[in-house]
Amino acid sequence: GNSVTQMEGPVTLSEEAFLTINCTYTATGYPSLFWYVQYPGEGLQLLLKATKADDKGSNKGFEATYRKETTSFHLEKGSVQVSDSAVYFCALILNYGGSQGNLIFGKGTKLSVKP
Amino acid sequence: KAGVTQTPRYLIKTRGQQVTLSCSPISGHRSVSWYQQTPGQGLQFLFEYFSETQRNKGNFPGRFSGRQFSNSRSEMNVSTLELGDSALYLCASSSYRAAGNEQFFGPGTRLTVL
Repeated sequence: GNSVTQMEGPVTLSEEAFLTINCTYTATGYPSLFWYVQYPGEGLQLLLKATKADDKGSNKGFEATYRKETTSFHLEKGSVQVSDSAVYFCALILNYGGSQGNLIFGKGTKLSVKP
Repeated sequence: KAGVTQTPRYLIKTRGQQVTLSCSPISGHRSVSWYQQTPGQGLQFLFEYFSETQRNKGNFPGRFSGRQFSNSRSEMNVSTLELGDSALYLCASSSYRAAGNEQFFGPGTRLTVL
């Protein structure tokens, strides 16, 4: 079936460290890929997205590239801040002739950044 | 533009009761989806409504139901509550079901079943 696998957390980093959160997917067809972030007590916010192979999504210093050959969409940031502490979810949507189904999420990775 | 709003934010119920959760999408959005978030199962899709019609449904028992009104507001209902229904219920809206179209999430309703 269709699924998303992301690295288990929690991940603890010092401020200004480099961040990578791995995400791989299994999907029939051609999905769109997303990273969502959830801060404590809040809903999900879209961080970035990519809708086709080799697209790079970027926002707030975060980047992820849609790699069809490795079915991956790894999240990276060159220098994390304490304010980046949150839970990060990788997700996909299957596209059907221009319309889309529902979001399929990974389990989430909790990131804690220490000053 | 106001975001997605969900009411109530917190609910405490006992087993066997039923509950209704409400979601108001962003103005102009016609698609509303519901997700359940639990520590064990993560985020799971419940159902999606578009123009008052259920377009897609996840793998949940019939105790979980929903509806959408003509103004796109949506409600979900859970009958005969079980302890395992304790979760954060998230609603998301989007303007259309276009490929790669962003879904905007509300803050969620935290349901606790005792």
